[in-house]
Order: sequence, then C-alpha cells, then structure tokens
Amino acid sequence: GAGVSQSPSNKVTEKGKDVELRCDPISGHTALYWYRQSLGQGLEFLIYFQGNSAPDKSGLPSDRFSAERTGGSVSTLTIQRTQQEDSAVYLCASSLDQGPYEQYFGPGTRLTVT
Amino acid sequence: GENVEQHPSTLSVQEGDSAVIKCTYSDSASNYFPWYKQELGKRPQLIIDIRSNVGEKKDQRIAVTLNKTAKHFSLHITETQPEDSAVYFCAASIVGGAQKLVFGQGTRLTINP
Repeated sequence: GAGVSQSPSNKVTEKGKDVELRCDPISGHTALYWYRQSLGQGLEFLIYFQGNSAPDKSGLPSDRFSAERTGGSVSTLTIQRTQQEDSAVYLCASSLDQGPYEQYFGPGTRLTVT
Repeated sequence: GENVEQHPSTLSVQEGDSAVIKCTYSDSASNYFPWYKQELGKRPQLIIDIRSNVGEKKDQRIAVTLNKTAKHFSLHITETQPEDSAVYFCAASIVGGAQKLVFGQGTRLTINP
C-alpha cells in the first residue's frame, strides 16, 4: 500500500514568511508524528497526534510553530514568521497505536529560509 | 524527560568485519527501542527493534541487545557489506504512554572494501 507522503518536497521561503507543510499518513494509522532534522544532525521530536486525544506539543520549539490534524488523517505543520534557524528537513511519521509500534517515515520536506 | 546518548559518532570498519553501536537512555519507563538506518538523502527506515521484555533480538546479520538495569542497548552488524554504509540512529520511547521517539545523535558507519 501507499506509504507516508509529504508535500512539498522542497520549500524555499524568505525570512518572515509563513509556510505550511503537509503530511498524509498511512491509511488506518491513528498516530502521527512530526520530527525535524537539521543538517547532519539527529531527529528532534516536534508534535504527536493520537486519535482524538489532545496532541503532545512538548517538542515545538516556539509559539511560531503549530500543527493540526483534520479528520484523523492529514496533518499540516505551520511555521509563522520563519527564521533562518528553521531551515531543516521536516519529517512526518505514522504508526498504529496498538502495535506493532514501528513508525513509518515520509520522505520529508526540505525547508530553506533565506 | 528522556535523553538518549549514542556512540561512536563515526565508525569505519573493513568489509566483512563486525560493527557495534551503543546507546544509553535515561528514563527507566522507556520500553521500546528501535534502530533506524538513514542513507544519504533518504528517509529513516527501521532495521530492528526490541521491547523491554526481551534481552536480545536477531535478524540475519543484525542483532540488538538490551540491558535494562544499566539502561543501555547496542546494535551489532556482522559480516558487514558496503551497502551497510549509512547513518544509524537509536531511539527510545514509551509505548502505551508518550510514544514519541527520542533519538540518539546518530552514527555514520562507513564500510571500507
């Protein structure tokens, strides 16, 4: 079946502009995660959605970052007033909530803030 | 919160030799430990995982060991091949609780022919 998809694959934006990144999880996966990977670095957790529960936003680095998940499926990560330090690859992952617990990653969106 | 430390940051081995990557975690509540392989420009892919009720798991040339008391786990790759060259990440999470993955910093493994 189809894996996790993300769009756009690349995004170049000017400092101060807002951007929206989209994630389509695997059908039937109730858990959805956003991570950020800066150049040559590890993966940093941002936010986690699980079914109808309140999202775990503990990883969001500032109030410029927000995310929503509509209808328990597609998710959008929004970054307002982008800064150069926001440049990174933003990865989305999804999983089942009752095991197996493997998180399947999307291809990522490479964000460059100029 | 959970903190995962991974060593070494880079590892170079001769083709056919074994490679070992080690991780430690801080939260004793963590009970799920996956390892991901990330090739250049690609997404991370799960290669093996272990739950806290198991001490060792093998899948062909790769194995993972877990020491809950010491809070560390290791990835072992035997008979390494050039296609094993990649960045490897360990991670920890609490299934049934905060299921977010906390990742180590990554190990760049290079297999020399």
